[in-house]
Amino acid sequence: ETGVTQTPRHLVMGMTNKKSLKCEQHLGHNAMYWYKQSAKKPLELMFVYNFKEQTENNSVPSRFSPECPNSSHLFLHLHTLQPEDSALYLCASSPRDRGMDGGYTFGSGTRLTVV
Amino acid sequence: AQSVSQHNHHVILSEAASLELGCNYSYGGTVNLFWYVQYPGQHLQLLLKYFSGDPLVKGIKGFEAEFIKSKFSFNLRKPSVQWSDTAEYFCAVAKGNNRLAFGKGNQVVVIP
Repeated sequence: ETGVTQTPRHLVMGMTNKKSLKCEQHLGHNAMYWYKQSAKKPLELMFVYNFKEQTENNSVPSRFSPECPNSSHLFLHLHTLQPEDSALYLCASSPRDRGMDGGYTFGSGTRLTVV
Repeated sequence: AQSVSQHNHHVILSEAASLELGCNYSYGGTVNLFWYVQYPGQHLQLLLKYFSGDPLVKGIKGFEAEFIKSKFSFNLRKPSVQWSDTAEYFCAVAKGNNRLAFGKGNQVVVIP
């Protein structure tokens, strides 16, 4: 385990469903990130939270809704997704946003399939 | 915007062969450089990083990378690969207070 835990590991959902992805870290980090990893594309930064405040929304469609209740937990709420949203969704944390002290610690990801 | 280039997306080689993966970035000035590895079904993990000092950086599992400022490159190397090195390798670059920018990755398959 990396210290960043993501659940569920796999998720299959229909286009009309609502589901949530969860990320939890106990590293004492203050910044948390959502990334989308699709085949043959670079990692796409979606959202950034620093000390619970959202500091980046990288033009993500509103069908993805993040929530950060505290510095240790991050959620990604999903609704009315499209098949092209199928991907591996990665959560990461770091000591602070925009501070490259030690790089990011990643979770194992949630493999999402939209049918 | 930051740009990180990784070439030869798919690399297939035999055990004991040498591996070199190229990484080029588009920024001038001071940068922080990283290589991450993602083994099949596992999380992205830090392989090595360069912030300053000796441009030849040694990481885990026998990997090393060399920062060549004049070439804007941070190539990853391993003299003799093993089957367990089969993975996807990502170069990442951060400049100043900007966040990490990732390359597209290199899928490396080592044949026993």
